[in-house]
Amino acid sequence: EVQLVESGGGLVQPGGSLGLSCAASGFTFSSYSMNWVRQAPGKGLEWVSYISSSSSTISYADSVKGRFTISRDNAKNSLYLQMNSLRAEDTAVYYCARVSSRGYPDYWGQGTLVTVSS
Amino acid sequence: IQLTQSPSFLSASVGDRVTITCRASQGISSYLAWYQQKPGTAPKLLIYAASTLQSGVPSRFSGSGSGTEFTLTISSLQPEDFATYYCQQLNSYPLTFGGGTKVEIK
Repeated sequence: EVQLVESGGGLVQPGGSLGLSCAASGFTFSSYSMNWVRQAPGKGLEWVSYISSSSSTISYADSVKGRFTISRDNAKNSLYLQMNSLRAEDTAVYYCARVSSRGYPDYWGQGTLVTVSS
Repeated sequence: IQLTQSPSFLSASVGDRVTITCRASQGISSYLAWYQQKPGTAPKLLIYAASTLQSGVPSRFSGSGSGTEFTLTISSLQPEDFATYYCQQLNSYPLTFGGGTKVEIK
């Protein structure tokens, strides 16, 4: 069974940093690209970042470029999102999602809440 | 690429046929997905490549369109279908989502 479990969310002050993790199981993690997607409270979905299976291709939303860094460790079946210079508008539930062989996010984690507030 | 969903809110009864539209600000071929999201849960992939039903999704869901105009149709609304639906374009980065359509019980 495919499982994605996010962790690392919490309360952080504006300007602070936080690192999220996504532990993958039930599939060959090293063969799949991954995404981070977020959802602010009561709002819609916003794509955050993409990383290919070998980390050779990475992309970011303009809203996080230069502040967030996506990475992965295929040996540990884990995806990461390092978030720096956090702002109130980064407050959201952050989901990791597997990209299927056809290029579409087919499995999603349950999400982890990040709250940026003083 | 901006995606505009309509309507943003829809009130319908069990058994109704429901259609949601997603318009792209420029052509995206068929690189479009539809998701269903219920409160407090992660989005669920329903349709990919504009019209291909994801495995395990009931056949009452269907998708159509290409280029700039797409539709998601639920042929006969069931109680478990009351949720928010999002479209997403995967033609080019940055990937974008539509604003969502909330389907509520009339």
